[in-house]
Amino acid sequence: AQTVTQSQPEMSVQEAETVTLSCTYDTSESDYYLFWYKQPPSRQMILVIRQEAYKQQNATENRFSVNFQKAAKSFSLKISDSQLGDAAMYFCACTGRNNNDMRFGAGTRLTVKP
Amino acid sequence: KAGVTQTPRYLIKTRGQQVTLSCSPISGHRSVSWYQQTPGQGLQFLFEYFSETQRNKGNFPGRFSGRQFSNSRSEMNVSTLELGDSALYLCASGIIGTAAFFGQGTRLTVV
Repeated sequence: AQTVTQSQPEMSVQEAETVTLSCTYDTSESDYYLFWYKQPPSRQMILVIRQEAYKQQNATENRFSVNFQKAAKSFSLKISDSQLGDAAMYFCACTGRNNNDMRFGAGTRLTVKP
Repeated sequence: KAGVTQTPRYLIKTRGQQVTLSCSPISGHRSVSWYQQTPGQGLQFLFEYFSETQRNKGNFPGRFSGRQFSNSRSEMNVSTLELGDSALYLCASGIIGTAAFFGQGTRLTVV
């Protein structure tokens, strides 16, 4: 199984600025996936970005990118050009390659100031 | 393509009763996972089904059970409800090795 730690309960960023959310994990799986999900007030879990652990290249999706440090078991999310619509809870998650039993961190509440 | 559909969206039950929640995955997805979300415990994994078999189970009492049908639709059941079972129950479907896609959840309130 996996454990995921998000050490920042809350973060704040000015609109158009950049913010980085931190995540560390531990897993006994030899191959695994890492995810960032966004949960707005509607409570719908929205996939932001996904990283396959065997790929060294950091994943990027438009304004969202990750810094994946496998040896350090670190997986941070960078949001560039922050927008008001980015305000939400952000969850880091990890699952083994051959299953879908995701383990989540406690979440980081992101506030975007206009 | 339709997303993951959970029914009902809201539910109020009395302590001691049982409840069944339903999840219809995205077409073609054979893996269905269930999660409980509460303010105190966060998001916790309940169980995962794949091709009608429970492959993984989280650390929940036996009152929580589930099943998956041949069309990949899944149900979870909670018997002898307790106040602490009040939560948002999320279902996710996926293809093994890809991201899980979530439904909108079922908000269960136990009174």
